[in-house]
Amino acid sequence: AQSVTQLGSHVSVSEGALVLLRCNYSSSVPPYLFWYVQYPNQGLQLLLKYTSAATLVKGINGFEAEFKKSETSFHLTKPSAHMSDAAEYFCAVSNQAGTALIFGKGTTLSVSS
Amino acid sequence: NAGVTQTPKFRVLKTGQSMTLLCAQDMNHEYMYWYRQDPGMGLRLIHYSVGEGTTAKGEVPDGYNVSRLKKQNFLLGLESAAPSQTSVYFCASSKPSGGFQETQYFGPGTRLLVL
Repeated sequence: AQSVTQLGSHVSVSEGALVLLRCNYSSSVPPYLFWYVQYPNQGLQLLLKYTSAATLVKGINGFEAEFKKSETSFHLTKPSAHMSDAAEYFCAVSNQAGTALIFGKGTTLSVSS
Repeated sequence: NAGVTQTPKFRVLKTGQSMTLLCAQDMNHEYMYWYRQDPGMGLRLIHYSVGEGTTAKGEVPDGYNVSRLKKQNFLLGLESAAPSQTSVYFCASSKPSGGFQETQYFGPGTRLLVL
């Protein structure tokens, strides 16, 4: 069965600093991996998605994530944080059969000026 | 193109009351989903549908029922609301080709408070 662990329920950075949000997954088969973002009082929207085509995945708003099979990780990064990046971020994993999507518990990103 | 819309945005219920949450999508998606979001729990799947007239249970289906009479609509019902059902409910939809591997498009959510 698939599972997702997001390390750190809350991450705080200064504007312009590196953003690193951690996600580790458990899957017995090659997974599909997602990062979704939820801005305050809104629904989730897709940031980026890993489908085995390339290990480094670029998403919207300058975010990217690298799939590392040996570490079972899919960490989300952005070189320079912006105030508008403050939101909750969810990592999710789906199995090859496409019969389930499991979300992590989420990481709240705060950005200070 | 409105995407995924949810009605109502906010509702307060008393224990034992019933209500229906409506989800509508205009993207012609086959798959639709209902999730609940609770603090520190992420999103948990309640029920989902892979097409008109079909529904299936997710991770936390107890206390909820669903119907998909039209392709564009997915209804979530609470027959007898309980305080444990206080939550934010999200509807989502996706294309059928990859099932849960496809990008899901989410509505803005419905906040439900059960007293």
